[in-house]
Amino acid sequence: DTGVSQDPRHKITKRGQNVTFRCDPISEHNRLYWYRQTLGQGPEFLTYFQNEAQLEKSRLLSDRFSAERPKGSFSTLEIQRTEQGDSAMYLCASSVAVGLGPMNTGELFFGEGSRLTVL
Amino acid sequence: AQSVTQPDIHITVSEGASLELRCNYSYGATPYLFWYVQSPGQGLQLLLKYFSGDTLVQGIKGFEAEFKRSQSSFNLRKPSVHWSDAAEYFCASSRGSYIPTFGRGTSLIVHP
Repeated sequence: DTGVSQDPRHKITKRGQNVTFRCDPISEHNRLYWYRQTLGQGPEFLTYFQNEAQLEKSRLLSDRFSAERPKGSFSTLEIQRTEQGDSAMYLCASSVAVGLGPMNTGELFFGEGSRLTVL
Repeated sequence: AQSVTQPDIHITVSEGASLELRCNYSYGATPYLFWYVQSPGQGLQLLLKYFSGDTLVQGIKGFEAEFKRSQSSFNLRKPSVHWSDAAEYFCASSRGSYIPTFGRGTSLIVHP
């Protein structure tokens, strides 16, 4: 299977603990996105990378959140000092970007998500 | 900033009936438009997309959508719904930054 994979699929943690999620994108995709989805809502953009560079971060991404993509392949999303409000599905997606022109349409390929429950 | 509105939170149809899910976008220029489907426990899967050209686009699983610039809409349709179509449907748009903005979703319930 060459789709986007996320790990772990489920994580239950106590408030105040740190958690880390990993995402492996489709191998030839140079863009990687993180979204958050809460119950009854659509995905909300958190951040994205082009290769190893983090190009944009949403205001939703507080100082407790950090994302990396060290070699332009897999990515990690870490949440420090988790709060109950962090409980959500964290979605990773990837896409291929060709330069800066209209070839970049925003068509994303999603993983199955990592569900976080903070007790 | 662009935004996407899906006015219907839930839609209930009988199996075999036709379906239309509404989507309105807010953006000055014509955005790129998408419909994704999310089944329970699954990731989002792209159903179809509109970039330019023919305003009626065909997607997978028998879905189609029509772009109407005058109404800023991109409604999803299917002539005959199957029980397996029960899922959450998301409309999304992107342009410029190429970061898709999603609507809140419409939950489709299919009655036998």
